[in-house]
Amino acid sequence: GQQVMQIPQYQHVQEGEDFTTYCNSSTTLSNIQWYKQRPGGHPVFLIQLVKSGEVKKQKRLTFQFGEAKKNSSLHITATQTTDVGTYFCAGLKGSGAGSYQLTFGKGTKLSVIP
Amino acid sequence: NAGVTQTPKFQVLKTGQSMTLQCAQDMNHNSMYWYRQDPGMGLRLIYYSASEGTTDKGEVPNGYNVSRLNKREFSLRLESAAPSQTSVYFCASSEQPGHWSTEAFFGQGTRLTVV
Repeated sequence: GQQVMQIPQYQHVQEGEDFTTYCNSSTTLSNIQWYKQRPGGHPVFLIQLVKSGEVKKQKRLTFQFGEAKKNSSLHITATQTTDVGTYFCAGLKGSGAGSYQLTFGKGTKLSVIP
Repeated sequence: NAGVTQTPKFQVLKTGQSMTLQCAQDMNHNSMYWYRQDPGMGLRLIYYSASEGTTDKGEVPNGYNVSRLNKREFSLRLESAAPSQTSVYFCASSEQPGHWSTEAFFGQGTRLTVV
């Protein structure tokens, strides 16, 4: 089945440092989505990437989708304590007969030391 | 606007008991999903329903059944609960599966403990 691998599993950074999480799929994806889950909360959608090589920015967050549509990254510049949480990538792939599955990576848990 | 509503929020079951987790969305979404979340394992898809009247197995369907009761509601049933099913369960919905799918909206989660 479809595998979506995400690294690293954990990341501890000093406030103000940058942070990057990487996502790799074993198969080509239709699109990729990124979610953030605060401690004790539920996943909340951040962004969707659809096109090969696409780059999108949201303030200090930069999202990239690889040329082959098999990998993606999320980069946070100058982390803040409000960035704490677990970041998930989720790949969408057709599973036949018009049906699709949204498969999540295991997530990267970000801790920010003030 | 409630979004995705899950009930109950917390539940403790004894091994062998059965229960149904309820999920309802008020966004007129076509697709609904059930995930479980375990430490270090991320979100794993149990079952999904691409549209009303259809359901499909996800990555970890064993021990579960689902019902897409109507467009709004998608329930998850544990027929005979086992300690390995202790987890946080999330229901989610999205407007449309496919290439131009939009974001998935998640419920608040159900924390289930099986003793």
